[in-house]
This record gives sequence, structure tokens and C-alpha cells, in this order.
Amino acid sequence: AQSVTQLDSHVSVSEGTPVLLRCNYSSSYSPSLFWYVQHPNKGLQLLLKYTSAATLVKGINGFEAEFKKSETSFHLTKPSAHMSDAAEYFCVVSWTNAGKSTFGDGTTLTVKP
Amino acid sequence: EAGVAQSPRYKIIEKRQSVAFWCNPISGHATLYWYQQILGQGPKLLIQFQNNGVVDDSQLPKDRFSAERLKGVDSTLKIQPAKLEDSAVYLCASSLAGTTNEKLFFGSGTQLSVL
Repeated sequence: AQSVTQLDSHVSVSEGTPVLLRCNYSSSYSPSLFWYVQHPNKGLQLLLKYTSAATLVKGINGFEAEFKKSETSFHLTKPSAHMSDAAEYFCVVSWTNAGKSTFGDGTTLTVKP
Repeated sequence: EAGVAQSPRYKIIEKRQSVAFWCNPISGHATLYWYQQILGQGPKLLIQFQNNGVVDDSQLPKDRFSAERLKGVDSTLKIQPAKLEDSAVYLCASSLAGTTNEKLFFGSGTQLSVL
């Protein structure tokens, strides 16, 4: 069965420090992987996606993620957090053979001044 | 470009009442999705349309939920009768062709409270 696990439900960082949001998946097939962000009262927005090209993917607003097949992980990072990064982040996995996407339960990122 | 439009933004009803949500996807997008997002959880797919045909409705509680996408454009999701556990945000999304590596465009959602 396909599944995706976001390892932290809440992450709190200080402004200017690095951000790490962790995502692991289980898969029998080669997945497509996404990170979406949801700001309060706004729709989900795509941050970045991996689709079997370069394993290090750069997204918007300085975020990037690295696909590690051996660890079945797709962790999201940012070198320096900004107050505007405070939001809910979702890891999403799609399997071509299964034809559908599965969302993780989300990680709430808090950025302290 | 105009985004995915949803209405209403909020809805409060009592259990056993009926409710309907409306979605207008981005122009030209063939695929439309309805997701249910319960507080503290990630969005769960309820139904996926390709043009006006249903691709996947395996997680739609068909005894109370129904959805249609007439003319392959806008869509309506209905709940009748509503239960307390239906309290959630209902998200509509669209994509150009519906392939699994494609970006989804989401609306702002309808927050439903069932009392």
C-alpha cells in the first residue's frame, strides 16, 4: 500500500535559522513527490515537485528538497526562515501506476522573531 | 490568470440538513478534484473528474455525498443528509490534464460546520 508520513506535526524555528520539514513515503513504484504550502485563509500552493529528474529540487521562496530513494525520503529545507514562511506544509506523493495522489497530514511551521 | 473559484466560503448547518458547494476551475483545465480536509489532517480525495466523467470516486460516501460536473466545467458537491463528522474544509482543485506528476491548483475552500 502507498503511504506518506510527515514526521513532525509542528516545527518551530527562529527567524534567520534553517528549516527542516521531514517526509517519508512507502512505495512499490517510482513516485512523483510534491510539497505544497497552505497559508491561513488561502488555497494550497505548490512549492516544488520531483518527477525523476535531478534529485535536488529547487522551489519558490528559497525552499528546496532532496529525493533520497535509499531512504524513501523527500525532506524540505530552507537555509534561513522568514516570518512569512509560517504556514502549514504538506508532502504529497503520486504513483503513476496507482494514478492518484496521497497527502501527508501536514507540518505546521512556526517562525519566532 | 483567474484561479479556482469556490463558494460559499463558510457554511453552518445542523445535522441531517443538506448543503451544496460550488466550484469553477481554471479555464481549460480538464481535471477537477474535490478534497475533504478534516482539522489536523491532510486533504483526502473524494472524487476526480476528467472533463464531465468520473475517474475516481472510491472514497466518496455515496450514501450521502454526490457530485456532478455538467458540461465539463464547473462542479457541485452535495451532502444530504449531513452528519457531525462531515465538518471539514472542502477543497476544489483543478489541473490541465490529470496526470500524476502535474501541479494542482486549489481554491480557498469551503469551511463546513455541522452542529
